[in-house]
Amino acid sequence: AQTVTQSQPEMSVQEAETVTLSCTYDTSESDYYLFWYKQPPSRQMILVIRQEAYKQQNATENRFSVNFQKAAKSFSLKISDSQLGDAAMYFCAYRRGNTGTASKLTFGTGTRLQVML
Amino acid sequence: KAGVTQTPRYLIKTRGQQVTLSCSPISGHRSVSWYQQTPGQGLQFLFEYFSETQRNKGNFPGRFSGRQFSNSRSEMNVSTLELGDSALYLCASSLGDRGPSTEAFFGQGTRLTVV
Repeated sequence: AQTVTQSQPEMSVQEAETVTLSCTYDTSESDYYLFWYKQPPSRQMILVIRQEAYKQQNATENRFSVNFQKAAKSFSLKISDSQLGDAAMYFCAYRRGNTGTASKLTFGTGTRLQVML
Repeated sequence: KAGVTQTPRYLIKTRGQQVTLSCSPISGHRSVSWYQQTPGQGLQFLFEYFSETQRNKGNFPGRFSGRQFSNSRSEMNVSTLELGDSALYLCASSLGDRGPSTEAFFGQGTRLTVV
């Protein structure tokens, strides 16, 4: 079974600074996708960034980028120029590729990010 | 384009009762997945429906069931409620394809409290 581990329950960052959230995963699959979701106090899960395992290039979405280390099964999220609106719970998630239970997302336990003025 | 709509937003039920939660996916999406979120267990996959058929199921007891209608709207039912069923129930919709562009869009959830 696949597992996703987020070892940082809480992180804090100063506004305009950079912060990195860690995620490791375990799988025997070769075809899979990794995601970072943000859950603000409104509770709605919002996709931040997606990485396909077959792509070597790290995904980037504006101020958000990932460091995907496939051999190490590591998938960290870097938030640059942090803003107050970035404060939320961040979940790392795994999804298998085009077979079997490909629709199922396996989530980590989350990291609560605080942004300080 | 309207997002994923879950109703009701809040529910309070008594132990032993049953409850039905509703999820309307984004127009054109054929897959609806349900997740349970609790402080102790985190986010856990309940099941997925695609074109009115259950395609995947998580490790939950049979008290948890669901269905999907021809318009892709889905309902989730929990019978004989237990205190431990208190949770945020999230619904996610997607096109249902299993390719890389299939993104899951989440609703705002239904907060169920069992007393």
